[in-house]
Amino acid sequence: DAGVTQSPTHLIKTRGQHVTLRCSPISGHKSVSWYQQVLGQGPQFIFQYYEKEERGRGNFPDRFSARQFPNYSSELNVNALLLGDSALYLCASSLDRGSFGANVLTFGAGSRLTVL
Amino acid sequence: GQQLNQSPQSMFIQEGEDVSMNCTSSSIFNTWLWYKQDPGEGPVLLIALYKAGELTSNGRLTAQFGITRKDSFLNISASIPSDVGIYFCAGQWEYGNKLVFGAGTILRVKS
Repeated sequence: DAGVTQSPTHLIKTRGQHVTLRCSPISGHKSVSWYQQVLGQGPQFIFQYYEKEERGRGNFPDRFSARQFPNYSSELNVNALLLGDSALYLCASSLDRGSFGANVLTFGAGSRLTVL
Repeated sequence: GQQLNQSPQSMFIQEGEDVSMNCTSSSIFNTWLWYKQDPGEGPVLLIALYKAGELTSNGRLTAQFGITRKDSFLNISASIPSDVGIYFCAGQWEYGNKLVFGAGTILRVKS
């Protein structure tokens, strides 16, 4: 079975541009979460989507937005890119919304964004 | 916001040695998780802990959920070259998939 797939794997943008990152969850998983991992740090939570609705948001500016489609795939959009947005963007999927002791997040390999 | 202090930052050990790393927090968590990340990959779940005091093993890996719910440790016994990578602790305190990650422990093994 395919795991969490993300595209593109690498991309380079310049300041001020926007970017769209895509994620396909594991078949049967209904929740998708997005994390940002800056070099040398642990992942930081951006969004969670479940059944096409936003269920959680981390401490990120409004330049970051996301959506989930009827097939449970998801897009992360970042507008007006800054140098500090350079990072590995990870998508993770899970069966459901996430209850203690019952949910396991499976991460994709990530999309590495470089902003020049 | 919540922060996890993970130590050590890096380790360079002999093959066959035991390894220990830990995470502490100023606030409590309901779930503690340990992940490993290899270069070019996303984090992979190693062990999940759901109750204070819980001790769980996965092969050569053993992890414990601290009694105070503010700390956790991970032990790796008899390290081998494929143990190389970055190990992250993560805590979950609210319903949903928001995890708070530590900064990671880089493990290097001398063969």
